[in-house]
Amino acid sequence: SYELTQPPSVSVSAGQTASITCSGDKVGNKNACWYQQRPGQSPVLVIYQNGKRPSGIPERFSGSNSGNTATLTISGTQAMDEADYYCQAWDSSTVVFGGGTKLTVL
Amino acid sequence: EVQLVESGGGLVQPGGSLRLSCAVSGLTFSTYWMSWVRQAPGKGLEWVANIKEDGSEKYYVDSVKGRFTISRDNAKNTLYVQMNSLRAEDTAVYYCARLNLVVNDAFDIWGQGTMVTVSS
Repeated sequence: SYELTQPPSVSVSAGQTASITCSGDKVGNKNACWYQQRPGQSPVLVIYQNGKRPSGIPERFSGSNSGNTATLTISGTQAMDEADYYCQAWDSSTVVFGGGTKLTVL
Repeated sequence: EVQLVESGGGLVQPGGSLRLSCAVSGLTFSTYWMSWVRQAPGKGLEWVANIKEDGSEKYYVDSVKGRFTISRDNAKNTLYVQMNSLRAEDTAVYYCARLNLVVNDAFDIWGQGTMVTVSS
């Protein structure tokens, strides 16, 4: 079955740029999306179709996808961005999530 | 306002059954694929099942095939999942979520979740 691999944790200083990767076999041939989940809350879609932002998501969130790696980038990271982030893609008619990355803002 | 409200969670013994519901309002329920996604305590998200707008197509993660059944009642704007032969590893918060073509089949709306605990 298809797998997506994320680093368990990423740390970033406030105001700096955070990058969270999502690795999978030829994931660049798929459309990747990203979800943010703050503690005790439901997930929120922050990036879809590799790099598009839903309405209401700040411009500091961006995404890219090529080869075997999809990447979520948060520019000018703020304390409120501290959360778990999950990548997701489709494998035929089934959905695959990455294991999640805890983003810590120092 | 769009709302997805799950219910039906609780404590059940191993081997038991439970039916979760997701009441949907504020959108044309019958025009969207819907899904169940779960999250075990302290763990990541796991997709469980999808169902097409008219219920004619259903897909499941391998670990629940033959035990869980996703269904919907478009007249009642409600999504269901019938969970049988429950195991300890099914313990999780269960979310219903909308799949939206506009965002390239991503989950753009989520419910608040309902907790299912499988334990003796």
